[in-house]
Parts: sequence; C-alpha cells; structure tokens
Amino acid sequence: AQSVTQLDSHVSVSEGTPVLLRCNYSSSYSPSLFWYVQHPNKGLQLLLKYTSAATLVKGINGFEAEFKKSETSFHLTKPSAHMSDAAEYFCVVSPPPGSARQLTFGSGTQLTVLP
Amino acid sequence: GAVVSQHPSRVICKSGTSVKIECRSLDFQATTMFWYRQFPKQSLMLMATSNEGSKATYEQGVEKDKFLINHASLTLSTLTVTSAHPEDSSFYICSARDRTGANTEAFFGQGTRLTVV
Repeated sequence: AQSVTQLDSHVSVSEGTPVLLRCNYSSSYSPSLFWYVQHPNKGLQLLLKYTSAATLVKGINGFEAEFKKSETSFHLTKPSAHMSDAAEYFCVVSPPPGSARQLTFGSGTQLTVLP
Repeated sequence: GAVVSQHPSRVICKSGTSVKIECRSLDFQATTMFWYRQFPKQSLMLMATSNEGSKATYEQGVEKDKFLINHASLTLSTLTVTSAHPEDSSFYICSARDRTGANTEAFFGQGTRLTVV
C-alpha cells in the first residue's frame, strides 16, 4: 500500500523568496517519488523524480527535492520564487516499473506568488 | 522527454450527445494508460485503467457504460463520454507509462475541458 500527504493546501510567498512545499509518503516498497506542476487548464508537467539514486534531486526551473527516508518526506524547494511558479503542485508516489498498479497522488498544493 | 498527446483540449457539446477524447503516446509504447477526472481545485481522480487489447478496469463508482474506454493499440486509448449530461462537465486527463519500464514516471496529456450544455 502507498499514500501521499501534502501538508499544505495553499502556500503563498513573495517573489524572490524561498519556496517550500511539503510532502510525506508511506509505501510498502521502495518508492519512486515525483513532483508535478499543473497550470490552469493544463495537464501535469514533471518537475523532478526520485528513483533510488541520489537523495537530492534537481529538477526543472530551479526546483529541487530531497528524499529523506527516515522522515518519509520528499519536500519540494526553490531558492527564489518567480511569478511564473504560481500553479498547483502534486506529489506523487509510483509503484515499481512494470507494475500495473496506479499512481498515488497527493491532494495538491496551490502556490501563490505575490509581487 | 516522452510525449502524450490528448485531443481535443476543449469541447462543448449538447446534453445527450457523445464525446470522444483521444490519448496518444507519441514516442513510446504504452501497454497501460490511465484516465483521470479532475474537479476544480481538487486532485486527480482515477476513473479507469486502459489495457491494450483487453477490457478497461474501472474504479468503483465509475459507470463503464457511460465512460467507454478503448485501447486498440500500444499508442492510442480513447475515452467516450456517452449521452453526456451537464454533471459530466469536467477536466479529463490521460496518462501513460512506458511499457519497457525505461521511465518510471507517468507522462500526462494536456487535458480536455468538457462542457456539456
């Protein structure tokens, strides 16, 4: 079994300040973890992924996330927010490759960037 | 990266008509594709898992006769909303995973905004 908890439904930051979007997971196997971003009326775009390699994962647009097994966390960070970062962010747990099991989505975090 | 193309991006239809949404994996083969529905300000809700060459697996509470899924090839799955009603208005998203397992992530289509009037 697997589950994902995004601890904040809304996060608001000022442009140029750091971003922290929190995600905790549980999984009965070694998970693959992802962060996706969704802009209004668009599909989901992959920001970054963790697949049991380096625990600090760098993604697109300056985002990164750190896999912490002891804390079962995979928080998403960015040093300096940009207006274009305003969107919905989803933390996702994936079953192993080749598995027919479905992805598990977090409930999403709406990021607002204030000028 | 791998691309999943979903069409149409937006459709308006009259109540009682049927609408077909296509989901194509452009540069990889997908044995399995997934169809999601997303309500405003909410996460994605899995509707069904589309398996190439076999019947789709529907989630509990999803009417299989209303949401017809066909996965005729390794690169194409379709979702047909039959006899659409205003309550079917929503954002529908498909996703696919590479059958070879080369990529662990799922790739998502652009989504389809369905409005039934």
